[in-house]
Amino acid sequence: EAQVTQNPRYLITVTGKKLTVTCSQNMNHEYMSWYRQDPGLGLRQIYYSMNVEVTDKGDVPEGYKVSRKEKRNFPLILESPSPNQTSLYFCASFTSSYEQYFGPGTRLTVT
Amino acid sequence: RKEVEQDPGPFNVPEGATVAFNCTYSNSASQSFFWYRQDCRKEPKLLMSVYSSGNEDGRFTAQLNRASQYISLLIRDSKLSDSATYLCTNNQGGKLIFGQGTELSVKP
Repeated sequence: EAQVTQNPRYLITVTGKKLTVTCSQNMNHEYMSWYRQDPGLGLRQIYYSMNVEVTDKGDVPEGYKVSRKEKRNFPLILESPSPNQTSLYFCASFTSSYEQYFGPGTRLTVT
Repeated sequence: RKEVEQDPGPFNVPEGATVAFNCTYSNSASQSFFWYRQDCRKEPKLLMSVYSSGNEDGRFTAQLNRASQYISLLIRDSKLSDSATYLCTNNQGGKLIFGQGTELSVKP
């Protein structure tokens, strides 16, 4: 089954404790992206990657890191999480015509 | 001004109604456009790509007006199952900008 998986699905953590949210796709897509979704603000792109070892900033990259060492994986790293990073996070992979397929989401709470 | 703007709604319509959403964008460099559907904080799912010539998929019709910089989505014969939030997005070479979403509620 073609899919994007994210782990963990739910995470409660404390300020400053480094965390990684994994994202993996099995559709052989070149392109991948991370978003956060907040009430009233909609989906905002954090980072995207158009190829292995190629990453670019989206609209809200501050406080996040990503890496793309292999095509199928695109982890999101929060080196020092803060409460304003409490959000719903989606990973997506997309086709060369930019049609996106989203993972199920990760609900992150930073206390 | 946001790059992509949508009326957040909610749009409350009876079953069988026709409903239309617009989405305006400000960046003329936008290359391609899409409508997504999102149910209750689940992941967005692709509904339709939007082509310059317009396109139709069953009860759904999408249009693009580059001159006026908006895209539209028309839903005919609304079903209860169409209740969701509809997100428009445009692509600027990998940078994808979403509107805030329009909430649709179809009532019996």
